[in-house]
Amino acid sequence: NAGVTQTPKFQVLKTGQSMTLQCAQDMNHEYMSWYRQDPGMGLRLIHYSVGAGITDQGEVPNGYNVSRSTTEDFPLRLLSAAPSQTSVYFCASSPSGTGGWGEQFFGPGTRLTVL
Amino acid sequence: EDQVTQSPEALRLQEGESSSLNCSYTVSGLRGLFWYRQDPGKGPEFLFTLYSAGEEKEKERLKATLTKKESFLHITAPKPEDSATYLCAVQGEVFELVFGKGTKLTVNP
Repeated sequence: NAGVTQTPKFQVLKTGQSMTLQCAQDMNHEYMSWYRQDPGMGLRLIHYSVGAGITDQGEVPNGYNVSRSTTEDFPLRLLSAAPSQTSVYFCASSPSGTGGWGEQFFGPGTRLTVL
Repeated sequence: EDQVTQSPEALRLQEGESSSLNCSYTVSGLRGLFWYRQDPGKGPEFLFTLYSAGEEKEKERLKATLTKKESFLHITAPKPEDSATYLCAVQGEVFELVFGKGTKLTVNP
């Protein structure tokens, strides 16, 4: 199993550009989520999904869109990049069921810089 | 609002010097408390889930305990490879996890 994979590993954007961060998992997990990690802020939830076709907002959703057309994939779209979106982005998946949501498998992260 | 506070922010130990990391939490209806380990440049790696006060979990040199207000991660006779940032997270009545800012542990040989 590859686990959770994310592409790209690094990305530099200019203000106003759009892009999609890719996330895929091969563990047949129902739950998937996107976090950003900033120095001194800890991990913050952007969007999450409890199954194909179902998504919801987390703590910091503004400026980001998601969709979940398959169990495996959960892309994160930046609509119009801003310097405040400079961060490290992590995708995670977890099995459904009691306690499953918290036992998350994280990808290696995408380091994004917006100039 | 659910909150998680971890202390200390950083901890430096000598190899073999046991210690504890603290995670204090405020949550409405605790559904689970989770510990993760994060190495530099990598995603967090799940360690433990605790559900109720009095519960304990162990893995190698790590032992996690839970009370009604805090959790401790005890590290017994640590080795340099235990150096990492340790994250605590809680899930309450709200579905999403709330993470603490982490404790950066350095174990010197």
